[in-house]
Amino acid sequence: EIVLTQSPGTLSLAPGARATLSCRASQSVNTIYFAWYQQRRGQSPRLLIYSSSTRATGIPDRFSGSGSGTDFTLTISRLEPEDFAVYYCQQYAESPYTFGQGTKVEIK
Amino acid sequence: EVRLVESGGGLVQPGGSLRLSCAASGTTFSSDAMSWVRQAPGKGLEWVSRITNSGASTFVAESVKGRFTIFRDNPKNMLYLQMNSLKAEDTAIYFCARGPSFHAMDVWGQGTTVTVSS
Repeated sequence: EIVLTQSPGTLSLAPGARATLSCRASQSVNTIYFAWYQQRRGQSPRLLIYSSSTRATGIPDRFSGSGSGTDFTLTISRLEPEDFAVYYCQQYAESPYTFGQGTKVEIK
Repeated sequence: EVRLVESGGGLVQPGGSLRLSCAASGTTFSSDAMSWVRQAPGKGLEWVSRITNSGASTFVAESVKGRFTIFRDNPKNMLYLQMNSLKAEDTAIYFCARGPSFHAMDVWGQGTTVTVSS
């Protein structure tokens, strides 16, 4: 099983700041099968990024993904109020299609 | 617009059974792989099971293997999760989602809550 470890657990930032979220895999993951999701409080998860760096439909360009091998990054260039949420990484290269434990981005 | 609507959650005693349903609309359902993902109270996301578009192949997490079965009815645009021998640790919100495919899990339902308690 591929274990995904996200860091930090919580990120405290002010609106307008840049957020950098990390996800490390226990073994190399094909970049084609790596995704990021956002989950706001009380809502279902929403796909942000697939194939490591491709924004999903309707996702603003302040969200960007990068990485390869075992290290992947989600960057939010300038935090908007609606961006304060929990973010999960996921590999879908092989079953089980594991998620990271999540990074909470909170208002400082 | 693609829409997924789950139903069938509720309160069940340990050892009991429950069947969750997910109704899909706005998509060619028979072309879509589908999954169930759960989220225990205050916890993160856990992938539970996936089924290919035809239903010929299924995949299941170790934590539910032998107890949960995913299946689908393509003519009815329905996805199901049969849950048997339920345990307290199965208490969670259960989401159905399209994929993962090349586009990951790109559509999610609103979730249905399962509570396993005596």
